Amino acid sequence: EVQLVESGGGVVQPGRSLRLSCTTSGFPFDEYFMTWVRQAPGKGLEWVGVIKTKAEGEATEYAASVKGRFTISRDDSKSVVWLQMDSLKTDDTAIYYCSLSGAGWGQGTLVTVST
Amino acid sequence: SYELTQPPSVSVSPGQTARITCSGDALSKQYSSWYQQKPGQAPLLLIYKDTERPAGIPERISGSTSGTTLTLTISGVQAEDEADYYCQSADRNSIWVFGGGTKLTVL
Repeated sequence: EVQLVESGGGVVQPGRSLRLSCTTSGFPFDEYFMTWVRQAPGKGLEWVGVIKTKAEGEATEYAASVKGRFTISRDDSKSVVWLQMDSLKTDDTAIYYCSLSGAGWGQGTLVTVST
Repeated sequence: SYELTQPPSVSVSPGQTARITCSGDALSKQYSSWYQQKPGQAPLLLIYKDTERPAGIPERISGSTSGTTLTLTISGVQAEDEADYYCQSADRNSIWVFGGGTKLTVL
């Protein structure tokens, strides 16, 4: 059974950093791109970024709204993907989901950026 | 980047057919997906590659495409189908775009 579990969310002040983790099991992690998606309160889904496989150089792509502030990385030996979020803004407040190319989703972790 | 446009809301009576559209210039070139999201839950993949259903998704849910418009069709709508529905596409660099979402109300 495919499982994805996000962790690391919480309340943080603007300008600070936070690192989210997504621990996975039940599928060959090293063969899949991993994607982060967020959802602000009462809003729609917003794509955050993707990390490709080692075969594709673990290349990353980011949404314009987070480029230069967020970094996605992965450890295939641990089947984990991370989202490092720096210089956080109040607009980054959202539930953050990791996804297995859309086919599987975690339950999400809430990040609140507030003074 | 490009945009995907969905109607904000669709309403149908139980047993009727709901059709939710998604339009965007890039849709004729890239495969797309549909997700269902109920309050407090993560999205659920309903359709991928425009028309394919993952295991466990009932046959009354189907996807179709014509030019630059996708359509999600839910036949025999049930109360449990009340949810938000999102279309999603990706470019050749695996950059995703979501539609704004459509709230399906079962009257």
